[in-house]
Amino acid sequence: SQKIEQNSEALNIQEGKTATLTCNYTNYSPAYLQWYRQDPGRGPVFLLLIRENEKEKRKERLKVTFDTTLKQSLFHITASQPADSATYLCALVTGNNRKLIWGLGTSLAVNP
Amino acid sequence: DAGVIQSPRHEVTEMGQEVTLRCKPISGHNSLFWYRQTMMRGLELLIYFNNNVPIDDSGMPEDRFSAKMPNASFSTLKIQPSEPRDSAVYFCASSHGQGAPGYTFGSGTRLTVV
Repeated sequence: SQKIEQNSEALNIQEGKTATLTCNYTNYSPAYLQWYRQDPGRGPVFLLLIRENEKEKRKERLKVTFDTTLKQSLFHITASQPADSATYLCALVTGNNRKLIWGLGTSLAVNP
Repeated sequence: DAGVIQSPRHEVTEMGQEVTLRCKPISGHNSLFWYRQTMMRGLELLIYFNNNVPIDDSGMPEDRFSAKMPNASFSTLKIQPSEPRDSAVYFCASSHGQGAPGYTFGSGTRLTVV
């Protein structure tokens, strides 16, 4: 069956460290993958997109990697800050209809 | 642009009542999506409109759910009659197409059916 999985357990890290979140998928051939941030009581906010032929994408303190062999994307936040605390969602775009398939999200808490 | 605007932000209703959720997408976006989010199932696509036309409503759970988009700047999601299991957060999102980079979401409507 087709699945997209993110760390179900909350990730707690110390301010200044690098946070790494994982998105794994099975039985999909994604065209690309998107990462979103969601704060409590708000809708998801788009952060980054990475295509199947790209290994890595960066935006300020954010870095995303995409390994189609491992069927995995990693999302890194370097020099993390308490303001980075939120839930992070990955979404695959797959198929001719370009439908988004969403993970359940990983909660990140950055402690001062 | 003020972003995607949803109303109401919160809705508490009794089982059996009709509920109408509203959405104003971003001007210029030709695609509109209604999602439902729960802890157990995450974000589920209910229906997708392109240029005001419903393209994919396979996620609409039952006939009790209906959605309309009478023009490019307004959409509604209606539940009639509502049931306690419909309690969730309902999001509207818009974009330049299904799968386009970066959907813009509204702040959602938290629906509680008692």
